[in-house]
Amino acid sequence: KQEVTQIPAALSVPEGENLVLNCSFTDSAIYNLQWFRQDPGKGLTSLLLIQSSQREQTSGRLNASLDKSSGRSTLYIAASQPGDSATYLCAVNTGGGNKLTFGTGTQLKVEL
Amino acid sequence: GAVVSQHPSWVICKSGTSVKIECRSLDFQATTMFWYRQFPKQSLMLMATSNEGSKATYEQGVEKDKFLINHASLTLSTLTVTSAHPEDSSFYICSAHVNRRSHETQYFGPGTRLLVL
Repeated sequence: KQEVTQIPAALSVPEGENLVLNCSFTDSAIYNLQWFRQDPGKGLTSLLLIQSSQREQTSGRLNASLDKSSGRSTLYIAASQPGDSATYLCAVNTGGGNKLTFGTGTQLKVEL
Repeated sequence: GAVVSQHPSWVICKSGTSVKIECRSLDFQATTMFWYRQFPKQSLMLMATSNEGSKATYEQGVEKDKFLINHASLTLSTLTVTSAHPEDSSFYICSAHVNRRSHETQYFGPGTRLLVL
């Protein structure tokens, strides 16, 4: 059974700092991995999708990497802003019906 | 872009009543939709996979007779929480699966917050 873990569980940083969020998964036979953002009481916003054959994806200040063999992904946020404050979730698609297994999430707070 | 809506956005009901939540794909067709549940401070847990025109597939531990899923069209799936109890209070989120040429992904609805008194 696929298990997805994210560390840290919570993170507070000053504005402008670069930061890294970590995601690890136990079954490396994944189809793809996705990073989401969730604001309090809201649904999910997809940030980046990395196919199993890819090593990284970039969108603006966000960069996600994938090391499938070691079961790890990182989300790098450059020059953080207060508007980045949210919970970040990673999810892996292990195939077999496109089911997503979500990580435990990292609650990020960027302070002025 | 692909938009998924949910209705209602929040609902408060008395214990023992049934609550229906709708999930719609607004600008695309989805043969597969997923239903997730999220308890406070926890991540999303997949409840069931809803396939248009066929019975839903439930995850282990999810009671199919309590959480009725109907996927009658390519743009609408409904989740009915029957005889709701306070422990069913949660944030319910649906997603619609999209299979594009370059990749497959899911688009998520904004969620429905259910509070059972």
